Amino acid sequence: DTAVSQTPKYLVTQMGNDKSIKCEQNLGHDTMYWYKQDSKKFLKIMFSYNNKELIINETVPNRFSPKSPDKAHLNLHINSLELGDSAVYFCASSLGTASGGGYTFGSGTRLTVV
Amino acid sequence: AQKITQTQPGMFVQEKEAVTLDCTYDTSDPSYGLFWYKQPSSGEMIFLIYQGSYDQQNATEGRYSLNFQKARKSANLVISASQLGDSAMYFCAMIPSNDYKLSFGAGTTVTVRA
Repeated sequence: DTAVSQTPKYLVTQMGNDKSIKCEQNLGHDTMYWYKQDSKKFLKIMFSYNNKELIINETVPNRFSPKSPDKAHLNLHINSLELGDSAVYFCASSLGTASGGGYTFGSGTRLTVV
Repeated sequence: AQKITQTQPGMFVQEKEAVTLDCTYDTSDPSYGLFWYKQPSSGEMIFLIYQGSYDQQNATEGRYSLNFQKARKSANLVISASQLGDSAMYFCAMIPSNDYKLSFGAGTTVTVRA
């Protein structure tokens, strides 16, 4: 059983399109995250939800909109895709602030905008 | 803001030898957690080891051990008896105990030679 699963794994789309990435965790965690890994492999947080409430919203274009229907799911919708949005997007989850460890990542979604 | 520094962009190690990956961090928070993740060429982020800032002993997980020197603000990862499958990028990360945001270093690429 995959603990944090993301779909799709690969996404190739044209500029201007709207796309969504889905994430689900079965760890019983109450906090979920979206991270972006750029072409230089640098990882940075984008959003975080705790018990369906948005708690972290970094400086991200408002074309990116996260949605958490319940504690186990966190989706990322991206409008009007741009070339610079090409990256790997990771979903992650934790129990609270992960004191003691337990910050688990999904396998990533490689988004390519052409 | 937390700053994580990994000064070694790339390293080569002979199979069966040990390798140490450096990580230093800068934080004013008295309580925090330190993580190491492995990212193989397939792209997923694999949790390796966790160290809490108040843990009395250095963390170990199989062939991975964390050399935690709190006064120096360093958390080096030691991989013993390197295997070809250890070839990957390794990320050091830190989270303050009252925070949800995991801050990452730039990563170190390890290549294990037969």
